[in-house]
Amino acid sequence: SAVISQKPSRDICQRGTSLTIQCQVDSQVTMMFWYRQQPGQSLTLIATANQGSEATYESGFVIDKFPISRPNLTFSTLTVSNMSPEDSSIYLCSVAANNGLNEQYFGPGTRLTVT
Amino acid sequence: QKEVEQNSGPLSVPEGAIASLNCTYSDRGSQSFFWYRQYSGKSPELIMFIYSNGDKEDGRFTAQLNKASQYVSLLIRDSQPSDSATYLCAVPGGGGYNKLIFGAGTRLAVHP
Repeated sequence: SAVISQKPSRDICQRGTSLTIQCQVDSQVTMMFWYRQQPGQSLTLIATANQGSEATYESGFVIDKFPISRPNLTFSTLTVSNMSPEDSSIYLCSVAANNGLNEQYFGPGTRLTVT
Repeated sequence: QKEVEQNSGPLSVPEGAIASLNCTYSDRGSQSFFWYRQYSGKSPELIMFIYSNGDKEDGRFTAQLNKASQYVSLLIRDSQPSDSATYLCAVPGGGGYNKLIFGAGTRLAVHP
């Protein structure tokens, strides 16, 4: 499976500011995903990021709040904009295996605390 | 809206026993099923996936599918304290984007 890294691993931010999280993969992948995992909760998909097209957002998530870039097949960013304490969460990127099946592999996550 | 349900637990088993984790899914047309293990403070790790054509065994782990009742099970034989984690079940979400829908996870505690 691919090796996935995320930066930063954690951050503490003030409300009203924005944070951009980077996800880097060591091989080219078609599909990347961004999830949120709030404390004690399961994974919630924010959006699917495909290279060369706009991200596809899930219900409840909007581009103005969570803009995503996917400039090439090994890299993506998620920005959490105008943050509030409710945005405190772990943000995870994942990649789909290139075999056309649904296996996904996760990065180590970014732990965000908004004060 | 596709749904995946799991008992949140904790499921407590003694070391050496068989741990049985279950997951029910709402979409009868689901063709593949994924089990992830998540240790506290870590990201999910894919440990097993099966397709609708049959069960699968990998070392101490066995995934079984009951299509008629729409549930999938993960059995862990000879449970070890290192198996203590949250186990997440996932099914494809459809829509052509390879996305997965995750259950809430079952916390497993293996005690010596």
